[in-house]
Amino acid sequence: DAGVTQSPTHLIKTRGQQVTLRCSPKSGHDTVSWYQQALGQGPQFIFQYYEEEERQRGNFPDRFSGHQFPNYSSELNVNALLLGDSALYLCASSLGGPGTGELFFGEGSRLTVL
Amino acid sequence: AQSVTQPDIHITVSEGASLELRCNYSYGATPYLFWYVQSPGQGLQLLLKYFSGDTLVQGIKGFEAEFKRSQSSFNLRKPSVHWSDAAEYFCAVGRHNYQLIWGAGTKLIIKP
Repeated sequence: DAGVTQSPTHLIKTRGQQVTLRCSPKSGHDTVSWYQQALGQGPQFIFQYYEEEERQRGNFPDRFSGHQFPNYSSELNVNALLLGDSALYLCASSLGGPGTGELFFGEGSRLTVL
Repeated sequence: AQSVTQPDIHITVSEGASLELRCNYSYGATPYLFWYVQSPGQGLQLLLKYFSGDTLVQGIKGFEAEFKRSQSSFNLRKPSVHWSDAAEYFCAVGRHNYQLIWGAGTKLIIKP
């Protein structure tokens, strides 16, 4: 049973560029959440996708956008990268939409913005 | 304001010794409470959770946690740590899986 997989694992971008991160949820899961984890901090909720729509959003600017595909996989896009966007981006999957479903996390994509 | 405090950034414990990691929270209602572990090269893994009922919760890998409402605390304990327990531990609270408020984490270092 494959868990949550994320790609790429590491990437380096320069300020102003755009980045796309990808996530495949755990088998059977239909809900994907994205988190930003800065060094020395806990994860910060970015948004959650269910039924191909953004259902919940944290306190992140519109530069952060996402998409969920019919197979439940998801992408996180960040435009106009800033130095402060350097972080570990975590994807978590769960079952049943926004609620109390247990979150299963991937290993993350570490983004460095120079 | 809602918040989670993990007072210890780092904790060093000898292998075989007992462990307690502290977590205090500020939340309007009684939240659901979680402990996660993050090991290098691995995703966050749920150790245990408290929704209601018995305030002493058993989790995986021999961990337990006790919810103390009067102290707004949910401390994580293990009677005897193993070298493989070295990792970063996060406490999180909330009522929905998109509303979790996370602590900054406690890094556990195991002395041989």
